[in-house]
Amino acid sequence: QVQLVQSGSELKKPGASVKVSCKASGYTFTDYVMHWVRQAPGQGLEWMGWISIKSGNPTYARGFTGRFVFSLDTSINTAYLQINSLKADDTATYYCARPARGYSYFDSWGQGTLVTVSS
Amino acid sequence: DIVMTQSPDSLTVSLGERATINCKSSQNVLYRSNNKNYLAWYQKKPGQPPRLLIYWASTRESGVPDRFSGSGSGTDFTLTINNLQPEDVAVYYCQQYYSTALFGQGTKVEIK
Repeated sequence: QVQLVQSGSELKKPGASVKVSCKASGYTFTDYVMHWVRQAPGQGLEWMGWISIKSGNPTYARGFTGRFVFSLDTSINTAYLQINSLKADDTATYYCARPARGYSYFDSWGQGTLVTVSS
Repeated sequence: DIVMTQSPDSLTVSLGERATINCKSSQNVLYRSNNKNYLAWYQKKPGQPPRLLIYWASTRESGVPDRFSGSGSGTDFTLTINNLQPEDVAVYYCQQYYSTALFGQGTKVEIK
């Protein structure tokens, strides 16, 4: 069965960086893309963008350009989200999500990674 | 960008009754070449990832109880939960995937 397993919670200081991993199993990693979704405390779901597993080319949603970086290690079927120059309002749970093949609705999700930014 | 607006923001329903959530898209999400509405619904509970309930506006995901149904076309869509159960307490989100992927703001469903 499809599984997306994310790395554990992180506590970071403002200005630091964090890298969240999402390890995929149960399917051919390169046959799909990977999306990232954010949920800040008490807020709704925000789509952050996606990365092509085949090309490594990322696409970022408005509001997630500059400090946010999607990357891959296809040798270990893992996608990464790095956030640089962390701010307090980056505090959120971040999810990786695999879409249905060819379309952008999400039938498999990671368990979420809570990133807390606090001094 | 296509903007998704859900209504109401929250609703309280008695056990066994019906909950109706609306989702309006700022642009048409019906793709005419395949006559499909690029609209999905998710259930989100605290501490859990979102769960896909409905895609193509009305196709139930495998394993989703049949008390959940989706309807609508073009710009106006509805998620209906019949015979509301305690485990249905959650926030529900619509999402268009016609152009990238954007979520509505969510609708919180509670038991009266």
